[in-house]
Formats: sequence, structure tokens, C-alpha cells
Amino acid sequence: DAKTTQPPSMDCAEGRAANLPCNHSTISGNEYVYWYRQIHSQGPQYIIHGLKNNETNEMASLIITEDRKSSTLILPHATLRDTAVYYCIVRPNFGNEKLTFGTGTRLTIIP
Amino acid sequence: SAVISQKPSRDICQRGTSLTIQCQVDSQVTMMFWYRQQPGQSLTLIATANQGSEATYESGFVIDKFPISRPNLTFSTLTVSNMSPEDSSIYLCSSGPPSSSYNEQFFGPGTRLTVL
Repeated sequence: DAKTTQPPSMDCAEGRAANLPCNHSTISGNEYVYWYRQIHSQGPQYIIHGLKNNETNEMASLIITEDRKSSTLILPHATLRDTAVYYCIVRPNFGNEKLTFGTGTRLTIIP
Repeated sequence: SAVISQKPSRDICQRGTSLTIQCQVDSQVTMMFWYRQQPGQSLTLIATANQGSEATYESGFVIDKFPISRPNLTFSTLTVSNMSPEDSSIYLCSSGPPSSSYNEQFFGPGTRLTVL
């Protein structure tokens, strides 16, 4: 079973920051928070991951609470191409560990 | 990163037949994974394929229905056997990281299967 809880859907205006929350209250000490997204008719795409510090890359920022029980993915300037289903996944930081997908958040960017 | 291709991209099959899906990775990878995504649903892991050993199946999936081959470090196949309309799904292949520089998995574009 997925160990994360996400809102089923969200809307965001184009050009604004999209903030996607995720609850993972049962996360273990050795588990990282990973985010993937799936654009319609494509395979999932890795976005970012982190353990306890905030992380930023060219796609997004990841904010993890101090108690690590929740996190927020931030897309700083959303575009129409960011419309997708976003999945928050917790797992050990070994690349060969399987991914357990929850139901994700369907993000729609509004023109 | 790893680039993954799948064949076929889509197919329409008759019930009772079998379809083999091919997955090719452009780098050598230790682990490959097969997922199923039923219409409107999230991804569900079918099995993990490690080169040189039997695939490891998740609960609810059996080798007789979904035989998997992993002949080398860049290739795997998934067969959907004795198909029924309930097998209509997108089947996705993914790979573990191609080197220690990566921690993420990479996904193919999927194979859209319709069973009539």
C-alpha cells in the first residue's frame, strides 16, 4: 500500500507557483521523499527527491517539514506543459528499490 | 539518464491470445520493472526482473499469466498470456539507475493494450 496521501486534484493559474502537498506521517528514518509526474499518454518522469533538507533543481523545489511527516512540491512558474498527475512516493534511497505509486494529484494549469 | 523504448506502442488483441511486449534500455541496468496501469488508475507493479534470475512477482500477479524474460542487462520482455478484456491496460517498463550518479528510475512510454 502507498504510504502517502495527496489531494486528488488541484488547479493552478499559468505563471503562478503550484504547491502540491503530500502527507507521509509513517515515513521511516531511511526513507526519502520522491516526486514523479505523469503527463498524459507518457511514462512517469522523475522530478526531485530529498531526505530532510529542502531541495531545488531545474524543475522544482521540495520542501520537507522538520518532522518529515509532510512535504510540498513547488513548481515556481507553472506552464500548461506542467499539467499532469503528480505522485509523491517514499522509499529507501536505493535506485533499484521498487516504486509504490499512490493515486497522485491531478494538477491542471489554467491559461 | 536512461532512455527506454517499448514495442509495440499499442495493440488490439483477441481474447485467449498472448502478447509479448519488449523493453529496451540504452544503458546496462541491474533491475528492470514492469507496471500495469488500468484505465484511469495509478501504476501497479507487476514484477521485478533481475538479469540472470527468476523475476519476482507482486501479490496478485503470477508467472503463468505474466511470464518475464531478462536475457541481458539492456532488455526484457513481458508476455500477457491468455488475455481477457480485463487485461486491457497500459503496460510500462522501467529501469533502475544506469549508474551510481542517479537515484531515480526511468520509464518507457508504455504499451497500450486493448483486448476484445
